[in-house]
Amino acid sequence: DQQVKQNSPSLSVQEGRISILNCDYTNSMFDYFLWYKKYPAEGPTFLISISSIKDKNEDGRFTVFLNKSAKHLSLHIVPSQPGDSAVYFCAARWSGSRLTFGEGTQLTVNP
Amino acid sequence: EAEVAQSPRYKITEKSQAVAFWCDPISGHATLYWYRQILGQGPELLVQFQDESVVDDSQLPKDRFSAERLKGVDSTLKIQPAELGDSAMYLCASSLGPQETQYFGPGTRLLVL
Repeated sequence: DQQVKQNSPSLSVQEGRISILNCDYTNSMFDYFLWYKKYPAEGPTFLISISSIKDKNEDGRFTVFLNKSAKHLSLHIVPSQPGDSAVYFCAARWSGSRLTFGEGTQLTVNP
Repeated sequence: EAEVAQSPRYKITEKSQAVAFWCDPISGHATLYWYRQILGQGPELLVQFQDESVVDDSQLPKDRFSAERLKGVDSTLKIQPAELGDSAMYLCASSLGPQETQYFGPGTRLLVL
């Protein structure tokens, strides 16, 4: 039972343009969502999070949007840079629960 | 900047052998996690410690996997005997508390032949 799904295994964008990574979830109990970034041969690095009481959280070039009615969140990166090329995981939990990760999306930003 | 340390970084073993992975969390982090990540999938929690106590090992295959955190600091994950299907990345993470941000180590890539 895949409760967190990232339906796009890969995404390719041009440097300077916007990258939009999507994530869907099925468990309505989830109330906290996170995005992690992973470079090859490294562990995942925390990027940004959002609580279910909000619908948007912004940190520099990174913005996460949450649509609770659609059980959908997205990560926007603008402008995209070649150093953003990595695998991006979304993750979700509710209070006291474990983190549930999606399958990841490989982002490639072309110079 | 403090980091989660893991060793070894790579391990190749034959099936039926025993393997062990070590993790040293960020100093002061009471909560420690072991995850397994299969290629093309996201990390999946195997076991979670709060200090030296196991608080969640519901996804740990206990017939062959064991984990300990005897003094509530570093931790060891063991597989005995290893099977072909255990080939994966084993990630350790730590956090100040169970609902705090988790910080991951670089992982141990295991290949079982």
